[in-house]
Amino acid sequence: AQSVTQLDSQVPVFEEAPVELRCNYSSSVSVYLFWYVQYPNQGLQLLLKYLSGSTLVKGINGFEAEFNKSQTSFHLRKPSVHISDTAEYFCAVGFQGAQKLVFGQGTRLTINP
Amino acid sequence: GAGVSQSPRYKVAKRGQDVALRCDPISGHVSLFWYQQALGQGPEFLTYFQNEAQLDKSGLPSDRFFAERPEGSVSTLKIQRTQQEDSAVYLCASSLYNYEQFFGPGTRLTVL
Repeated sequence: AQSVTQLDSQVPVFEEAPVELRCNYSSSVSVYLFWYVQYPNQGLQLLLKYLSGSTLVKGINGFEAEFNKSQTSFHLRKPSVHISDTAEYFCAVGFQGAQKLVFGQGTRLTINP
Repeated sequence: GAGVSQSPRYKVAKRGQDVALRCDPISGHVSLFWYQQALGQGPEFLTYFQNEAQLDKSGLPSDRFFAERPEGSVSTLKIQRTQQEDSAVYLCASSLYNYEQFFGPGTRLTVL
């Protein structure tokens, strides 16, 4: 079965601390991987994507993620967070042969001063 | 440049009413998607168009949900006889290349 799991529903961190948001997926076909951010009452904004090539991808706002095929993971990281990073983060997977994206449940990132 | 737009941004309906939600995709994007996002959840796929053809409607929860894109551009998601469980944010996304989808701000539907 094809599924996406975000292991943490909430992640509180202090400002300027590093953060990692975890995402795992299950698939028997090739995948395309995305992280989106959602601010309150807004749509989804693409942070970064992995389609092919280098497994370490860099995105906007200082975020990066690494595709690990053997562990079927695509964790999101940022070395130093800011108050403005407070938002909901969604991992999304496109499975080869299907056009739709399958989303994880989301991780709420809360930055404490 | 213009992104994906949706209207209305907020809709309140009484149970049993019909509603229509509009999506204007990015110009030139051939693919268009509708997702439903319940409170505190991730978006869930509803349906997919390539130009005017509806190629996948496997996510539509019941026959009360209907989507169309008659000219391959603007799309409308219609919900007939709304129920309380239909309350959610409805997100539209468009895509030029496979899988990279650009989302609109969503329509928040509240059914009383």
